Amino acid sequence: DVKVTQSSRYLVKRTGEKVFLECVQDMDHENMFWYRQDPGLGLRLIYFSYDVKMKEKGDIPEGYSVSREKKERFSLILESASTNQTSMYLCASSPPREGVDEQYFGPGTRLTVT
Amino acid sequence: DQQVKQNSPSLSVQEGRISILNCDYTNSMFDYFLWYKKYPAEGPTFLISISSIKDKNEDGRFTVFLNKSAKHLSLHIVPSQPGDSAVYFCAASALTGANNLFFGTGTRLTVIP
Repeated sequence: DVKVTQSSRYLVKRTGEKVFLECVQDMDHENMFWYRQDPGLGLRLIYFSYDVKMKEKGDIPEGYSVSREKKERFSLILESASTNQTSMYLCASSPPREGVDEQYFGPGTRLTVT
Repeated sequence: DQQVKQNSPSLSVQEGRISILNCDYTNSMFDYFLWYKKYPAEGPTFLISISSIKDKNEDGRFTVFLNKSAKHLSLHIVPSQPGDSAVYFCAASALTGANNLFFGTGTRLTVIP
């Protein structure tokens, strides 16, 4: 079974803090993704990576950065957290594109910025 | 601009009856479609998918129908069970593009025992 784990289920941070969200997958997948989920907006792609040290901006990259130093690990960084970044953050991974785009998701991190 | 739309935020169905969840898309380049199911405090899990070369795909109680001309797909669950109560997300991808999915806003299904 594919397993995607995220470092924290719940996180509370103060405005202006630097926040790190970690994601690890154990299936040797090339592709990894970070989404945020907000009511009425569905899942929106923040960043994705198709290889180590590679990254691509998604639909809403502003205020975020990412790091992928190892194939199994993809980190999302909030350089200076703001209250509008309070959200559910979901990490996902998928194998290389071969006509199938199924992504495997982690359990999510509920981040609250106060 | 939302390229994948789920216009019904919620749906309630009696146990044993059919649940029909709808999804519309605007991008004609999309050629692969997926449905995900999400329980509270869990990540979405893949449910069923369909390629644009088909108009129907069935997996047990779940069937997805695709109408390319109308840019519309639907998920049918028959018979509905209380354990099906969850948020369902429709997603789309363009095989010729990057390997990322475009998600709808979700429909919360409640199956009443």
